[in-house]
Amino acid sequence: GENVEQHPSTLSVQEGDSAVIKCTYSDSASNYFPWYKQELGKRPQLIIDIRSNVGEKKDQRIAVTLNKTAKHFSLHITETQPEDSAVYFCAASIGSGYALNFGKGTSLLVTP
Amino acid sequence: DAGVIQSPRHEVTEMGQEVTLRCKPISGHNSLFWYRQTMMRGLELLIYFNNNVPIDDSGMPEDRFSAKMPNASFSTLKIQPSEPRDSAVYFCASRPDRADGYTFGSGTRLTVV
Repeated sequence: GENVEQHPSTLSVQEGDSAVIKCTYSDSASNYFPWYKQELGKRPQLIIDIRSNVGEKKDQRIAVTLNKTAKHFSLHITETQPEDSAVYFCAASIGSGYALNFGKGTSLLVTP
Repeated sequence: DAGVIQSPRHEVTEMGQEVTLRCKPISGHNSLFWYRQTMMRGLELLIYFNNNVPIDDSGMPEDRFSAKMPNASFSTLKIQPSEPRDSAVYFCASRPDRADGYTFGSGTRLTVV
């Protein structure tokens, strides 16, 4: 299937700093880009998403930006807290359909 | 709503045995997805259904894997015969047609020894 590349694979920040995770996709027909957070031993949970007709979306301390021309999108977390520590996955729709391809994940550690 | 329900939560089986994983999607969700998660390969899409019909099974690794959705409230993923390399966490997810985001189940951790 089409690839979703995610960087970095690990990220360590101090509490209060910002964290940025970047993803690129290859399928030009992809039109939906969600982000999931997975805590250790738990299920992935949707935290924010964006559609291709929008360039940026914000929800409190998290924001997502999309550059459709360059086929990349990013997750921004401001004022990080220890409870933000988890693995974050980006995903892109397979074409304009229902299924998603996921990136390999970014393990975020927020130290007090 | 109880969310997406998967069973069993953990399964340990011997190589060569048949394994059946079960999923009950959220009521009203028309699409159901099976994913496999490993450290090396991340979250891989195995197969997905829309209105109980298999739409894309190109991610099913080989003929040992099969999936069914006999009705809107139940799906199974079967591995026969199982091999140690099948060890992974298998997630089921569902979504309604009018929304985008998936809801994942708690997963089944499969260990094949």
